[in-house]
Amino acid sequence: DADVTQTPRNRITKTGKRIMLECSQTKGHDRMYWYRQDPGLGLRLIYYSFDVKDINKGEISDGYSVSRQAQAKFSLSLESAIPNQTALYFCATSDPNYFAQHFGDGTRLSIL
Amino acid sequence: EDQVTQSPEALRLQEGESSSLNCSYTVSGLRGLFWYRQDPGKGPEFLFTLYSAGEEKEKERLKATLTKKESFLHITAPKPEDSATYLCAVQAGETSGSRLTFGEGTQLTVNP
Repeated sequence: DADVTQTPRNRITKTGKRIMLECSQTKGHDRMYWYRQDPGLGLRLIYYSFDVKDINKGEISDGYSVSRQAQAKFSLSLESAIPNQTALYFCATSDPNYFAQHFGDGTRLSIL
Repeated sequence: EDQVTQSPEALRLQEGESSSLNCSYTVSGLRGLFWYRQDPGKGPEFLFTLYSAGEEKEKERLKATLTKKESFLHITAPKPEDSATYLCAVQAGETSGSRLTFGEGTQLTVNP
C-alpha cells in the first residue's frame, strides 16, 4: 500500500461546484502539504500543516481551504471551483527532523 | 524570493551516454537541496538531499553534487528506465516553514 494516498485520482466537475480532495498517510509524519502542478509553472505550495492545530497558507492559497482532521488526514477544498484551478494536485508529508517531502500520486482535477 | 532554475528543459540521450542536469538556485540560508524523479501520472519520488557545498550523494547510476550556487545530477551510462522528469527543490531557513521551492524540471529521455 502507498504511504501517501490521495482520493480521488481523477475528477471532472463544473464551474461553481464545491470539491474536496483527500489525503491520508501511514508514514507517521506530522507535517503535511498541498501542492498544485501546472505545465510551465512547476509545483507550487497551496497550504501546509505542521500538526493538527497548525495550518499555514502557502504561496497560492486564494480560492482554497484545508482541514487537518487527524495527524494522518489532510483535505483540500475548492469552495467554488473555477476553470483556472484545473491542475494536478499533490499531497506530501515530511518528518520535522528530515526535510525531504514524500508525495502521493496526485489528483488530476478538470473544471469545465 | 527563493528561485530555482533547471537546465536544460529537455534532454535526449542514447543508452550509455552519460550527461548532467543542472539546478541553479538563489536562496537566503539554504537548509537543503532536494532531487526528485517524477514519472508520468505519478507523484515526485524522493532521490537525494544535499545540505552543504561539497556534499555528494550517489544512487545506482545517479550522483548529485552541490556548490554554493548550483547542483548537478550526473547520470552515468543511463538506461531507458531512467527516462523521467527530474525536479530540483530548495528549502530556505526555518522561517519559510519547511516549504520547498521547486524548479520546473528537466525531462530526460533515454533511447535504447
